Amino acid sequence: GQQVMQIPQYQHVQEGEDFTTYCNSSTTLSNIQWYKQRPGGHPVFLIQLVKSGEVKKQKRLTFQFGEAKKNSSLHITATQTTDVGTYFCAGGPGGKLIFGQGTELSVKP
Amino acid sequence: DGGITQSPKYLFRKEGQNVTLSCEQNLNHDAMYWYRQDPGQGLRLIYYSQIVNDFQKGDIAEGYSVSREKKESFPLTVTSAQKNPTAFYLCASSMGGNTIYFGEGSWLTVV
Repeated sequence: GQQVMQIPQYQHVQEGEDFTTYCNSSTTLSNIQWYKQRPGGHPVFLIQLVKSGEVKKQKRLTFQFGEAKKNSSLHITATQTTDVGTYFCAGGPGGKLIFGQGTELSVKP
Repeated sequence: DGGITQSPKYLFRKEGQNVTLSCEQNLNHDAMYWYRQDPGQGLRLIYYSQIVNDFQKGDIAEGYSVSREKKESFPLTVTSAQKNPTAFYLCASSMGGNTIYFGEGSWLTVV
């Protein structure tokens, strides 16, 4: 069945450093979504990418969708302690979203 | 986020017991989902329902059961057949495959 893989599983950075997480699907995706889960909380929607090669920005966050619509990335510029949490990508046919394993980001002040 | 209510937030189950987790949404969403989250394994889909009175198995449905008798309700029963039920359970809803909104989750522990 369809698989969505995310790397790295963990990332520890110093505050102010950049951070990137990568998402790869075994099949072509109709769209990809990104979620953030703070420690002890529930996943919260960040963004959805639909078009091949699409790039979207939210302040210090940059999201990309690959040309083949099988991979995606999230890049955070100059991390802050408020960025701490686990970032998930999710994609799939219709309403059955398949989530990646997530990348847990810790930021040392 | 708001509009999806899960209860209870914490639940303890004895070996051999069935327990039911409640999920209610007032977002008028057609689709509802149950995910299980274990440390380091992300979110795994248990069951999903795209319409009232219909639901499909996800990737880890064994030992679980659901019903969708009303649009706003999608309860999950963790049966005694689920051998390792201790986990964080997340209910979610969406309007036709778009953004998924999650409830705050329920922690289930076997004692």
